[in-house]
Amino acid sequence: DTGVSQDPRHKITKRGQNVTFRCDPISEHNRLYWYRQTLGQGPEFLTYFQNEAQLEKSRLLSDRFSAERPKGSFSTLEIQRTEQGDSAMYLCASSLARGGEQYFGPGTRLTVT
Amino acid sequence: QKEVEQNSGPLSVPEGAIASLNCTYSDRVSQSFFWYRQYSGKSPELIMSIYSNGDKEDGRFTAQLNKASQYVSLLIRDSQPSDSATYLCAVNIGEGGADGLTFGKGTHLIIQP
Repeated sequence: DTGVSQDPRHKITKRGQNVTFRCDPISEHNRLYWYRQTLGQGPEFLTYFQNEAQLEKSRLLSDRFSAERPKGSFSTLEIQRTEQGDSAMYLCASSLARGGEQYFGPGTRLTVT
Repeated sequence: QKEVEQNSGPLSVPEGAIASLNCTYSDRVSQSFFWYRQYSGKSPELIMSIYSNGDKEDGRFTAQLNKASQYVSLLIRDSQPSDSATYLCAVNIGEGGADGLTFGKGTHLIIQP
């Protein structure tokens, strides 16, 4: 069990650029979640997938954000036309069952300059 | 509006003593409850889950849940300096299509040697 992995671990981008993050869940987990965390706050839920289906999206997920999980394995989170307010840690988690324990990856720290 | 409230601290506890961390939540239909530990600059690490009223013990950790009072707590016995971290309380309503966690802002715990 290698745990949840995320890539890249750090990303610095200029305002207006597009960025894409990848998450690989624990292999037997069919549920995958994206969260965002800013300094001094707890993680905030963005969206989740069961297999390849995106089942829930938070109001935080503006139209500049899109997430995919095309084959029910890894997932990508894309942010278009980045803004300074997008600077945060983007966390991915996976789980075996609804309402079950969610295990987090190491996160991708995004800095928008 | 789903809310999870925690005292931000810092909570300072002498080494070897019991650390008591508290959390209240607003949504009465919440079904799953979790405690995560987060070191500075790292991602959250799951330490306890609890689903029914009462106590659940795992090593030096005990989670306590009281759904009638909408209250969940975490006790850490024989506190060690390595327990110094931010502890995040998370709640999952688990109804309808919802499966995202709602987090509190976390309690910063300091174990004094």
